[in-house]
Amino acid sequence: DIQMTQSPSSLSASVGDRVTITCRASQTISTYLNWYQQKPGKAPKFLMSAASSLQSGVPSRFSGSGSGTDFTLTISSLQPEDSATYYCQQSYSTPRTFGQGTKVEIK
Amino acid sequence: QVQLQESGPGLVKPSETLSLICTVSGGSISSYYWTWIRQPPGKGLEWIGYMYYSGSTNYNPSLESRVTISIDTSKNQFSLKLSSVTAADTAIYYCTRDPSLFSGYFDFWGQGTLVTVSS
Repeated sequence: DIQMTQSPSSLSASVGDRVTITCRASQTISTYLNWYQQKPGKAPKFLMSAASSLQSGVPSRFSGSGSGTDFTLTISSLQPEDSATYYCQQSYSTPRTFGQGTKVEIK
Repeated sequence: QVQLQESGPGLVKPSETLSLICTVSGGSISSYYWTWIRQPPGKGLEWIGYMYYSGSTNYNPSLESRVTISIDTSKNQFSLKLSSVTAADTAIYYCTRDPSLFSGYFDFWGQGTLVTVSS
């Protein structure tokens, strides 16, 4: 199985801050990397596929980059509604695997 | 807009079989890869497996000996059976849609249903 490791596990930032979450794969996965946002008590919401392709309706302050083993999710200007846990997920091979999550809190 | 809704018992006894149904509305179940994912309370996400509408399946090797996913195209439903459950199978179970074999992401999710394994 491909192991996905996110860092940090949690962060606290102020409204308007630029926030970056890192995801690392245990082997190369090209750009087969997807991101989700999960708010408490809710199902995950699909944000982005193929490392950088934003899903329709997702605010443009979200962006993604990376290829191979190292990827990032960036929120360019953190908003109160962005408080959530973010998960990366590889779609290079089965079983599909997720990172452990990064909890983003607003200061 | 596609909507998914899980249904089934919220409490299952150890050693018994967990059974859940996902009803798909707002679109046909034909085409797409219909997937189950679970999340133990307070923990991360685990992919259980998928079934393509034509019948092919792919399961997580960690669960493969206990999992069956099936589909009923006439009812626009797919289901999950997990046998010989233990407390470690306590989780929120989500049904999801994977658009294609080459996408591997999950664009629509049910709200999730908590299944507790306890006597």
